Amino acid sequence: AQSVAQPEDQVNVAEGNPLTVKCTYSVSGNPYLFWYVQYPNRGLQFLLKYITGDNLVKGSYGFEAEFNKSQTSFHLKKPSALVSDSALYFCAVRDDTGGFKTIFGAGTRLFVKA
Amino acid sequence: DAGVTQSPTHLIKTRGQHVTLRCSPISGHKSVSWYQQVLGQGPQFIFQYYEKEERGRGNFPDRFSARQFPNYSSELNVNALLLGDSALYLCASSLIGGAETQYFGPGTRLLVL
Repeated sequence: AQSVAQPEDQVNVAEGNPLTVKCTYSVSGNPYLFWYVQYPNRGLQFLLKYITGDNLVKGSYGFEAEFNKSQTSFHLKKPSALVSDSALYFCAVRDDTGGFKTIFGAGTRLFVKA
Repeated sequence: DAGVTQSPTHLIKTRGQHVTLRCSPISGHKSVSWYQQVLGQGPQFIFQYYEKEERGRGNFPDRFSARQFPNYSSELNVNALLLGDSALYLCASSLIGGAETQYFGPGTRLLVL
């Protein structure tokens, strides 16, 4: 069965410092991995995805994520955090076995302090 | 281009009532998915429809049903509402399915009293 774990409920970082939001997954086949961000009272906004190819994926707003097959991880990173990055971040996975079910993690709240 | 739209934005119902939520996908997108997001949790998959057929179903009771129309818009119906159905209901559209990116609407916030 598919599953996603975001081990940290909250991540605190100072503005200008690098940030990492962690995600690990479990799927039957090959994974399709996604990161979304949610601002208060808003829907989810797509940041980036990994389907195949380079393990380092670059996305919107300077975010990137590294796919690690051996560790079944897909951590979200940004070299220099902004206060405006403060939001709720979700990792999601879907597998390539033909199912249409996308599983989301519980979310990680990112606080960037000025 | 317009994004995914959902209606209504907010809704208050009482236990036992029925509710219908509506979603219009991005133009050209043929797949619509529905998710339930309870406060403090990640979105939970309810249904995915592609070309008007159900292609995936999450672990939700039969009180939840959906359909997709020829213009690819979709409705989510919930019967016999329970207090625990109070949540943000999100609709997402994609070109097809599989590896395609899903784009989310702003959601419908349902409160069951």
